Amino acid sequence: GENVEQHPSTLSVQEGDSAVIKCTYSDSASNYFPWYKQELGKRPQLIIDIRSNVGEKKDQRIAVTLNKTAKHFSLHITETQPEDSAVYFCAARSGRGFNKFYFGSGTKLNVKP
Amino acid sequence: DSGVTQTPKHLITATGQRVTLRCSPRSGDLSVYWYQQSLDQGLQFLIQYYNGEERAKGNILERFSAQQFPDLHSELNLSSLELGDSALYFCASSVGGGLAGVRVYTDTQYFGPGTRLTVL
Repeated sequence: GENVEQHPSTLSVQEGDSAVIKCTYSDSASNYFPWYKQELGKRPQLIIDIRSNVGEKKDQRIAVTLNKTAKHFSLHITETQPEDSAVYFCAARSGRGFNKFYFGSGTKLNVKP
Repeated sequence: DSGVTQTPKHLITATGQRVTLRCSPRSGDLSVYWYQQSLDQGLQFLIQYYNGEERAKGNILERFSAQQFPDLHSELNLSSLELGDSALYFCASSVGGGLAGVRVYTDTQYFGPGTRLTVL
């Protein structure tokens, strides 16, 4: 099955700096890659997603890039703010069989004011 | 608010007991997914149902079972509970969830608020 690895596990940045979180996946048939933000004790919330027919997608301060050849995708947050502090999860949707999602282990982002 | 509801919000029980967690998907969504999140851990996929039928299975223990009813709500049953079963249990829903590659644009998952299970 699919295996999604996420790095780094923790990331500390100064307010206003950029943050980059990277994920790799193993199954070349995976075709959809969402990113979720989870605040302590709350539900994961979709913040951006990208499909395999697109190389990059941007939404205000958040962008995601996908390199299908290398099988990795990244989340970029620019001009970070303290409210960006949370755990971020990447995921890959299996392109085989039914709709199955594989999640990365999460990155705890701390934005220092 | 994602539109996905889960009850109860908190559940405290003893080892060996059985509990049922309930999830109602967003209106129009046919798929329900169950995930387990232990303290400071990632999301472990348990099982997926699509329009009443089991579609995909993850790391779900034999002591756990689930079903999706005709009105599309789903229940996750956890039995012979152990201390290690203490976790946040999330359900998520999506419009699609059938064969991969079919209606790809409908496969975004939306998560419910979770049920925090504490086994003492």
